[in-house]
Amino acid sequence: EAQVTQNPRYLITVTGKKLTVTCSQNMNHEYMSWYRQDPGLGLRQIYYSMNVEVTDKGDVPEGYKVSRKEKRNFPLILESPSPNQTSLYFCASGQVNYGYTFGSGTRLTVV
Amino acid sequence: AQSVSQHNHHVILSEAASLELGCNYSYGGTVNLFWYVQYPGQHLQLLLKYFSGDPLVKGIKGFEAEFIKSKFSFNLRKPSVQWSDTAEYFCAVNPYNTDKLIFGTGTRLQVFP
Repeated sequence: EAQVTQNPRYLITVTGKKLTVTCSQNMNHEYMSWYRQDPGLGLRQIYYSMNVEVTDKGDVPEGYKVSRKEKRNFPLILESPSPNQTSLYFCASGQVNYGYTFGSGTRLTVV
Repeated sequence: AQSVSQHNHHVILSEAASLELGCNYSYGGTVNLFWYVQYPGQHLQLLLKYFSGDPLVKGIKGFEAEFIKSKFSFNLRKPSVQWSDTAEYFCAVNPYNTDKLIFGTGTRLQVFP
């Protein structure tokens, strides 16, 4: 089954403790992206990747890092999480013309 | 700056009522247009898309949308909603020849039996 898999689904952490949210796709897509979803703000793009070793900033990249060492994986790294990064995070992959495939989301709470 | 506006933040309807959700975008060039739906607790799913041709496009579950170029609009419609249509709906714009997808802020639809 074609899918984008994110882990974990839920995460509660403390300020400053580094964390990684994993994202993996099995569709051989070159393009992958991370979004955060906040009430009243919709989805905002954090980072995206056009292919292996090619990443670029989206609209809200501050406080986040990504890497793309393999085509299927695109982890999101928060080196020092802060409470304003409490949000719902979605990974997506695909070709925009055909519509992205989204992961199930990761609800992150930073206390 | 490119942006997408969804003016209806929260819509409440009874079953069988008709639905129209507004979407306007600000971008002067050619665009591809999308509507995504997010059911409670789930991820986003593609509802329908417009690239070119007939400005009236039909999607899944009886939804349709009309692209009006002169108004920079891509409104979503459904003649008769069901309780199962309760969800959040996002309009999105893709400027042509880019990989960027710009989302609106979403419209929360509640349908009561």
